[in-house]
Amino acid sequence: GAVVSQHPSWVICKSGTSVKIECRSLDFQATTMFWYRQFPKQSLMLMATSNEGSKATYEQGVEKDKFLINHASLTLSTLTVTSAHPEDSSFYICSAIGGVAQPQHFGDGTRLSIL
Amino acid sequence: QKEVEQNSGPLSVPEGAIASLNCTYSDRGSQSFFWYRQYSGKSPELIMSIYSNGDKEDGRFTAQLNKASQYVSLLIRDSQPSDSATYLCAGNSGNTPLVFGKGTRLSVIA
Repeated sequence: GAVVSQHPSWVICKSGTSVKIECRSLDFQATTMFWYRQFPKQSLMLMATSNEGSKATYEQGVEKDKFLINHASLTLSTLTVTSAHPEDSSFYICSAIGGVAQPQHFGDGTRLSIL
Repeated sequence: QKEVEQNSGPLSVPEGAIASLNCTYSDRGSQSFFWYRQYSGKSPELIMSIYSNGDKEDGRFTAQLNKASQYVSLLIRDSQPSDSATYLCAGNSGNTPLVFGKGTRLSVIA
């Protein structure tokens, strides 16, 4: 089955640090990748949609200068949380889709804790 | 506004029973529907996809789609305690982002 790898699984860092999260599709080419954030006991919130080689489309209320997304190839997208603060602490999950009408496959998520 | 509605639960069923999870959606243009299972602290895992009206069975799981009623359901037969999780219903058309429901929490009691 389709496998999406997300790295790292856990990050604990000081306030003001920038954190990069990688999302890779291991056995398929991802035409589109998505980044979500989930706070405890809440539903998934879509942050942005990224297509290879083009700028990401951010959802309303998501700061594009704070959450930098790069989708450099058909198998890799990165999310960089710049100058992270405690309120950015959350569970960040990426997903990838291989084509039209295909299901989204999720990475294992990254738990980010900002001290 | 495209919406997917689910009862948040918790839905409690005894072990061995059938669990029935329901979902309605507002966008008539949605063509593809998916059920994901999410354990606490983990990312969603795809269980079933369904694209046409009717039933689709995979092991203990059966997904049902009725586009006229804009209704999707998931039946879990012979429910096990390990099935206890939050079940997310989602739909989309083409390559657009999935619209997720808020999930139904299922608890299977041993």
